[in-house]
Amino acid sequence: RKEVEQDPGPFNVPEGATVAFNCTYSNSASQSFFWYRQDCRKEPKLLMSVYSSGNEDGRFTAQLNRASQYISLLIRDSKLSDSATYLCAVIQNTGGFKTIFGAGTRLFVKA
Amino acid sequence: NAGVTQTPKFRILKIGQSMTLQCTQDMNHNYMYWYRQDPGMGLKLIYYSVGAGITDKGEVPNGYNVSRSTTEDFPLRLELAAPSQTSVYFCASSYPGTSGSIGSFFGPGTRLTVL
Repeated sequence: RKEVEQDPGPFNVPEGATVAFNCTYSNSASQSFFWYRQDCRKEPKLLMSVYSSGNEDGRFTAQLNRASQYISLLIRDSKLSDSATYLCAVIQNTGGFKTIFGAGTRLFVKA
Repeated sequence: NAGVTQTPKFRILKIGQSMTLQCTQDMNHNYMYWYRQDPGMGLKLIYYSVGAGITDKGEVPNGYNVSRSTTEDFPLRLELAAPSQTSVYFCASSYPGTSGSIGSFFGPGTRLTVL
């Protein structure tokens, strides 16, 4: 089983739609959680951290469910510019902080 | 701040050649990472370092070596390049912080082809 798993998609949604991605992790001792965005042939860029109480940044909402070991990302009112691959990341404390990424979920927002 | 810089941007190697991918960060982050990303795939952790003089293996360390003599630099060495090492290599850095990690900052990547 992979340590961090995501549905690869692609998700094809119209502009203005709401779309949600989930990400599951296998190590219950994982400590910190993040969502990154990666555009084609570019480096990943941090989108937002994921806090236990859930957090929101504009149109983006992230949630963490420790009991079920998953994190989610909700995008409201999708824009064409949201088209990208969304990677979840988990930090494991294995004597040092090791960041493990999911394979990413591709999102296409169409007009 | 330049952030995380990587050189070279592109490289073509012949099978059996060696090379070093350079990575430098100017944010005084103590954590640094090397990932590889194959086409259409996710990031796989090769090696990481929690501070100068300390390195550890990630998921796919075979065929690679690293060193961390300074906080700023974390070079990745490929010995005896093989076609299976054709990939995009990303270096990243982060700082755990007292309230949890701030997340990782990535360099622009090195696109390596081994023929």
